[in-house]
Amino acid sequence: QIQLVQSGPELKKPGESVKISCKASGYTFTDYAMHWVKQAPGKGLKWMGWINTYTGKPTYADDFKGRFVFSLEASASTANLQISNLKNEDTATYFCARYYYDGYYHVRYFDFWGPGTMVTVSS
Amino acid sequence: DIQMTQSPSLLSASVGDRVTLSCKASQNIYKYLNWYQQKLGEAPKLLIYYTNSLQTGIPSRFSGSGSGTDYTLTISSLQPEDVATYFCQQYNSWLTFGSGTKLEIK
Repeated sequence: QIQLVQSGPELKKPGESVKISCKASGYTFTDYAMHWVKQAPGKGLKWMGWINTYTGKPTYADDFKGRFVFSLEASASTANLQISNLKNEDTATYFCARYYYDGYYHVRYFDFWGPGTMVTVSS
Repeated sequence: DIQMTQSPSLLSASVGDRVTLSCKASQNIYKYLNWYQQKLGEAPKLLIYYTNSLQTGIPSRFSGSGSGTDYTLTISSLQPEDVATYFCQQYNSWLTFGSGTKLEIK
């Protein structure tokens, strides 16, 4: 069965860095893009961007350019999100999500999600 | 950027009620619209894709409709397990989620 397993919760201080992992299983990792979504406490979902799991090329939404880096360990079917110079407003749950794409039928959606990784930034 | 506005932000209804949730885009998104359900403490789950296609395994009481800038998620007969927050998401230009509608049982 298809699963996305994320790393555990993190408690960090402002200015530190954090790396979150998302390990995929049950499908061919390079067949589907992996996206990242942020959810601040009690708030909605915010799309952060995605990584092409075949080429390794990342694409970032405007609000996530600079301190955020998407990377792969393709041999381990794992996508990573690294956030540097952490700020209080980075406190959130971060989800990885597999992106299904069918260009012929105009269909694209997140069909599988990781459980989320809670990152708390506090001095 | 395309903005997605959901209304209402909070909806309280009784078991068995027909419930309608609204999602409005800031420009035409040509039916490139998905709906997700998120229960407390869980990841979102896909309900409806491309405006009106029901995801496999989702109960038929859920349905979607719309075109242009205006879209709707309908639950034909509200069940207790439907308590959740519902998000719309457009994919016409980049990706944007709506702010969500929290659905409660009255």
